[in-house]
Amino acid sequence: DADVTQTPRNRITKTGKRIMLECSQTKGHDRMYWYRQDPGLGLRLIYYSFDVKDINKGEISDGYSVSRQAQAKFSLSLESAIPNQTALYFCATSDFRQGAETQYFGPGTRLLVL
Amino acid sequence: RKEVEQDPGPFNVPEGATVAFNCTYSNSASQSFFWYRQDCRKEPKLLMSVYSSGNEDGRFTAQLNRASQYISLLIRDSKLSDSATYLCVVWGSGGYNKLIFGAGTRLAVHP
Repeated sequence: DADVTQTPRNRITKTGKRIMLECSQTKGHDRMYWYRQDPGLGLRLIYYSFDVKDINKGEISDGYSVSRQAQAKFSLSLESAIPNQTALYFCATSDFRQGAETQYFGPGTRLLVL
Repeated sequence: RKEVEQDPGPFNVPEGATVAFNCTYSNSASQSFFWYRQDCRKEPKLLMSVYSSGNEDGRFTAQLNRASQYISLLIRDSKLSDSATYLCVVWGSGGYNKLIFGAGTRLAVHP
């Protein structure tokens, strides 16, 4: 079974709709992240959480919100989807060791906003 | 200027070739460096960390030049299965230390 899972894997929605992307992990990591990936831009951090009571904005948090329901679950919401939020979204967890982070990514959610 | 810059490629090489990718980073306070591999439509996965002394893992060699702020990845004896996008990743740039991802260099190995 995959250590980091994301649902749904693909989603088509319309402008103005609220949608939620879910992420679960069985790695026991405290740190979780949401990224989006666009062609030519690399992964950009949306939000991150170091534990259940900790939520932090990343570089592109506008238009998004998150909820850390438990150590193992971190969900991303688009309150009112717009076409430029069409992207590939990745959830990741990390294992902080010796001052560096190795991140483990989920399989991604491909979102299309019409 | 992007914090982490890579040549997007694609690098088209025959099997058995040696290929090298470079990556530059802008923040001299960066502390740790990595190469991730991403297959088409898949998630990124850690390939290797990059140490100041340079490090090797089989056919892959990574090197760091702090003075010039660049990182390199050398792949020897390329295999078809090496075809992927290679992401240069930098960690630690002051304030909250976080990973900064380059946009990736695409490698296509052909028979």
